[in-house]
Amino acid sequence: GESVGLHLPTLSVQEGDNSIINCAYSNSASDYFIWYKQESGKGPQFIIDIRSNMDKRQGQRVTVLLNKTVKHLSLQIAATQPGDSAVYFCAEIRGGSQGNLIFGKGTKLSVKP
Amino acid sequence: NAGVTQTPKFQVLKTGQSMTLQCAQDMNHNSMYWYRQDPGMGLRLIYYSASEGTTDKGEVPNGYNVSRLNKREFSLRLESAAPSQTSVYFCASSDPPREGTDTQYFGPGTRLTVL
Repeated sequence: GESVGLHLPTLSVQEGDNSIINCAYSNSASDYFIWYKQESGKGPQFIIDIRSNMDKRQGQRVTVLLNKTVKHLSLQIAATQPGDSAVYFCAEIRGGSQGNLIFGKGTKLSVKP
Repeated sequence: NAGVTQTPKFQVLKTGQSMTLQCAQDMNHNSMYWYRQDPGMGLRLIYYSASEGTTDKGEVPNGYNVSRLNKREFSLRLESAAPSQTSVYFCASSDPPREGTDTQYFGPGTRLTVL
């Protein structure tokens, strides 16, 4: 079935290195994507979003890349810090319908000091 | 500005018991949502409310009911709890969709165990 998924369930990086978290989606009708960060014991927190008419969007230390040709989304975190340790979820909206936010299973990022 | 608040934070129920999870937001958002998150899984939508007075089913609505009490509050009720409903429940709210966007803001969650 159609789903939002992740290439890797866990990712371990050294403090100061750059992190790349990947996400694949299968519905070409999806037109809006969001990355969320979830720390242990807390609710998901919005990081950055991107619309399907864009290829790249930058925030503070984060960049989201969208490749519609291969239906792939990635989140890049520059100079990863211990506070970045969390589970990261990508989510998509299919067809622009409210309430139709589909989450992937998540990637756990661990930052080694 | 507290954002999205949920009560209780933790709850243990016996099979067949009922309870209501409360959610409130102070961001004047029109839309509110209830999700469940099982271990190692992403969030799955239970119900949502696009605006005060309306509710719609999400991906996994069976065994749940909701009430949009007013613009601020959206409650989730389990009439007869089952062990399969053991999960972490998150409430979220968002601005009305603009050009297909839907940035949702989440509460801290309610950890529910059904024995």
